[in-house]
Amino acid sequence: DAGITQSPRHKVTETGTPVTLRCHQTENHRYMYWYRQDPGHGLRLIHYSYGVKDTDKGEVSDGYSVSRSKTEDFLLTLESATSSQTSVYFCAISPDRIEAFFGQGTRLTVV
Amino acid sequence: DQQVKQNSPSLSVQEGRISILNCDYTNSMFDYFLWYKKYPAEGPTFLISISSIKDKNEDGRFTVFLNKSAKHLSLHIVPSQPGDSAVYFCAATLYNNNDMRFGAGTRLTVKP
Repeated sequence: DAGITQSPRHKVTETGTPVTLRCHQTENHRYMYWYRQDPGHGLRLIHYSYGVKDTDKGEVSDGYSVSRSKTEDFLLTLESATSSQTSVYFCAISPDRIEAFFGQGTRLTVV
Repeated sequence: DQQVKQNSPSLSVQEGRISILNCDYTNSMFDYFLWYKKYPAEGPTFLISISSIKDKNEDGRFTVFLNKSAKHLSLHIVPSQPGDSAVYFCAATLYNNNDMRFGAGTRLTVKP
């Protein structure tokens, strides 16, 4: 299994609070991604990174920011959580932008 | 704008028979297609891929077919096994592009 760890695995937070999800890899892959999975939508790309301090927006980036200060860590921050951000969040890593290896997911509930 | 569509939310087949999962896409620029399998409470795992220069790719019991003119791909699983029961996601991308688009998934149930 690819060495990718997401934390926390579950989180319940209140509307309006900031939330940070962490993705840690031990594979030294260049590319890292954050997706959200919602019923009827599959996986949608939020943000991605193509190197340390190099990030860009995905399909559903509004309300989210990311940071990558080290090759192994990619953080996803919800600046002010809303109920529409209740979802399952997956981090993925890739050596070649084609085959991606996913973490186990973080289930986030915003109440 | 859902560029990758899996129109069947679920599929049920008998063990030993063939499972056929379908996927349609709208962006003719996509040149790489993948299938991922997902079990409950786990992340998706890569299953098989195909580039647009091919029309078929086989890996053991799994075969992916690509029909570019119809913008359609399918995953065949033969023979189906109960352990294949999972949600299958179709994905498409432009090679060397970070924006991979996923379908909504098809839940496959293989009955013993």
